[in-house]
Amino acid sequence: GAGVSQSPSNKVTEKGKDVELRCDPISGHTALYWYRQSLGQGLEFLIYFQGNSAPDKSGLPSDRFSAERTGGSVSTLTIQRTQQEDSAVYLCASSLGVSQVLYFGPGTRLTVT
Amino acid sequence: QQQVKQSPQSLIVQKGGISIINCAYENTAFDYFPWYQQFPGKGPALLIAIRPDVSEKKEGRFTISFNKSAKQFSLHIMDSQPGDSATYFCAASNDYKLSFGAGTTVTVRA
Repeated sequence: GAGVSQSPSNKVTEKGKDVELRCDPISGHTALYWYRQSLGQGLEFLIYFQGNSAPDKSGLPSDRFSAERTGGSVSTLTIQRTQQEDSAVYLCASSLGVSQVLYFGPGTRLTVT
Repeated sequence: QQQVKQSPQSLIVQKGGISIINCAYENTAFDYFPWYQQFPGKGPALLIAIRPDVSEKKEGRFTISFNKSAKQFSLHIMDSQPGDSATYFCAASNDYKLSFGAGTTVTVRA
C-alpha cells in the first residue's frame, strides 16, 4: 500500500518568506508526527497529533512554527518568516493508534537563502 | 539536550565484517529502544527494536544488545553487505515521543 507522502520534496525560499510543507499519512493511521533533521544531527521532535486530542506542540522551536491536521488526515507544517537556521529536512511520520512503530515519509528538504 | 548519545559518527567495514554502533541514554523511564535505517533521500525505516526486559534481540543479521544497568544498547550488523550502507539511528522512548541519537553512517566496502 501507499506509504507516507510529503510535498514538496525540495523547497528553496528566501529568508523572511513563509513556507508550507504537506504530509499525507498512511490511510487509517491516527497518529501523525513531524520531526526535523538537521545536517549531521539526529531527528528532533516537533509536534504530535493523535486522533481528536489536542496536539503536543512541545517540540516546536519558536512561535514561527505551526502545524495543523485537517480531518484527521493531511497535515501542514507552516514556518513563518523563515530564517537560515530553519534549513533542514522536515520529516513526517504516522503510526497506527498508540503504536510506537513510526512510518516516515521521504521528507521535505528546506533551504533558506 | 540530547537524551541519547550515539557513536561512532561513521564507520567503514569490509564486506562480511561486523559493524557495531553504540548508544547510551540517561532517562531511566525509557522503555522502548528502536533502531532506524535511513538511505540517502529516503525517510528512516524501523529496523529492529527492543524493550528493557530482554538483553538481546536478533533479527537475521541484525542484533540489539541491551545493558540496563549501564544504560547502554548497541546494534551489531553481522556479515555486513554493501546494501547495508546507510545511516543508522538509535532512539529511545517511554511514550509516543522518540529521542534520537545523532546517527552513524555505515559504509560497507565490497
